[in-house]
Amino acid sequence: DSGVTQTPKHLITATGQRVTLRCSPRSGDLSVYWYQQSLDQGLQFLIQYYNGEERAKGNILERFSAQQFPDLHSELNLSSLELGDSALYFCASSPRTTGGDYGYTFGSGTRLTVV
Amino acid sequence: GEDVEQSLFLSVREGDSSVINCTYTDSSSTYLYWYKQEPGAGLQLLTYIFSNMDMKQDQRLTVLLNKKDKHLSLRIADTQTGDSAIYFCAESGDNQGGKLIFGQGTELSVKP
Repeated sequence: DSGVTQTPKHLITATGQRVTLRCSPRSGDLSVYWYQQSLDQGLQFLIQYYNGEERAKGNILERFSAQQFPDLHSELNLSSLELGDSALYFCASSPRTTGGDYGYTFGSGTRLTVV
Repeated sequence: GEDVEQSLFLSVREGDSSVINCTYTDSSSTYLYWYKQEPGAGLQLLTYIFSNMDMKQDQRLTVLLNKKDKHLSLRIADTQTGDSAIYFCAESGDNQGGKLIFGQGTELSVKP
């Protein structure tokens, strides 16, 4: 157990639907990062939040949004889902704005299948 | 933009050493990490090296960094079948904020 908790582990949904992925960071970590892993794109950075504020943005689609709550858990919202959104979505956390010596701790991921 | 490249596959015999190579483009990289991903699992941090270091050893793992050539390697001594997994090289630096840039991953296959 890495200390980063992601729910649900698996999600199957239809095209056009909306889903919410949840992440609880490791205790004491203030940054949360979202990554998408797919066979063709590899591991792609989506977005980072630090202590409730958006800190960095990657190639995140406009149909996707995220937020970090006062208790530091984060949610990634994916809407108008397409078949190509099927992927493994990872959440990671770090104590500060970057990993530094502590590195980035990853959760076990949410596997999203869009049918 | 930033880019990290790795070879896709490596096959070794049990007991041999494995060397996984990685190249990166961002000269402002400050930390370089190696992660391991087993089937169906998340990413496990194996080790890291700070950019002002040339080498770091941690039990069976040795990381070498050639900053001039922007080349990073991970050597696993006495490779075991349990080491079979995908290994990712990743960098973070001043130009990327907090994010990690990952390579494509090297699939290590260890044959008995």
